[in-house]
This record gives sequence, C-alpha cells and structure tokens, in this order.
Amino acid sequence: DAGVTQSPTHLIKTRGQQVTLRCSPKSGHDTVSWYQQALGQGPQFIFQYYEEEERQRGNFPDRFSGHQFPNYSSELNVNALLLGDSALYLCASSSYPPRTDGNTIYFGEGSWLTVV
Amino acid sequence: EDQVTQSPEALRLQEGESSSLNCSYTVSGLRGLFWYRQDPGKGPEFLFTLYSAGEEKEKERLKATLTKKESFLHITAPKPEDSATYLCAVSTDKLIFGTGTRLQVFP
Repeated sequence: DAGVTQSPTHLIKTRGQQVTLRCSPKSGHDTVSWYQQALGQGPQFIFQYYEEEERQRGNFPDRFSGHQFPNYSSELNVNALLLGDSALYLCASSSYPPRTDGNTIYFGEGSWLTVV
Repeated sequence: EDQVTQSPEALRLQEGESSSLNCSYTVSGLRGLFWYRQDPGKGPEFLFTLYSAGEEKEKERLKATLTKKESFLHITAPKPEDSATYLCAVSTDKLIFGTGTRLQVFP
C-alpha cells in the first residue's frame, strides 16, 4: 500500500520564477492538504482540496494556487517566487469529511524548495 | 484565535531517563489532537490521535494523554533512536501545528 508520494524531492528556483509540486494521496484517501514548513517551525496550512475544489485556505497569498485531479492527486503552484518561499512543502492526505473515529492524516516526505 | 504551544522547545535526555513533552492548546471545535514524529529532512510520521479528555494511547516507549486544555507525550526509558522533533497538532477543519519539541537522547 503506497503512502503519500510527493515530487520532486528537492528543487532550486530563482526569484520570480514559478514552481509546480505534485502529490499522490494514500490509497483510499480523497482529500489532499498542503502545508509549508520553514526551518525550525511547525507546518503551516496552505489549502485543502476535495472533489477537485479548494475547500479551505490558510493565510497565504494568491501566488499560491492548487489543483486536484479526478484521481485525487494534486498540484501546488507558486508564482513569482520570493526568497521567503524557501521551505519544505508537505502534502497530507485524509478522508473527507473529517471524522472523530480514526480519520488519520498522513504526510508525504515533502518537497524541499530553495529560492535563490 | 486557535493556538498550539509546545514545551520545552528542546530537551536533552540520557538514555533511559524518562520525561514528558507538553502541548497546550486553545481551539474551538476540536476534532482531534495529533502527535507526529519528524526526523530531519523528512515528513511528519503519524504517532497518535486523541479525541476526548481522559483518552490515552501507547506505542512502544511512547504514551500520549489528553485533557481539555493540554496533551502530554510521555517517553519511558528513551533510546538514542527516539531522537527527533515531536510535533503536536490540533484538528479543527485543518491541522494547526505547534513548533515542536526537539528531543535528543544520548547513550
């Protein structure tokens, strides 16, 4: 049973460029959330996708956008990259709606983005 | 505002020296409290979910407990391989994380 898979694992971009990160959720999960984790900090919620729609969004600018495909996989796009966008980007998969009887949320290994 | 605070920020233990990590939270509409382990450069690894005050869960040397305002992760007789950052998160309709406790266990 494959867990949450993310690609690429590492990438370096220049300020002003655009980046696309990809995620495949765990088998049986239909909801994908994206988080940004800066060095030494806890992950920060970016947005969540279910049924190919953005359901919730954290406090991130419109430069951050996403997409979910019919097979539940997802992409995170960041435009006009800033130095401060350098971070580990994590994808989390779960089932929707959130339940109180064992709805575990699993994370992928993340994509390290360095903006220079 | 929903908030999660973890303490201490860092903890150094001798192998076999038991201790506890704290996670205090203020949140409306709590759907669960999660503990994760994160190794350097890796994604968070799921440990436990707790849903109601008084609930306890155990896994090897780790035991998590939950009250109405905080959770504890107890580590009994830790080993060097337990060294990692331990993250606490509360679930409303998204996960809200604390900044983690960096645990180092020395032989």
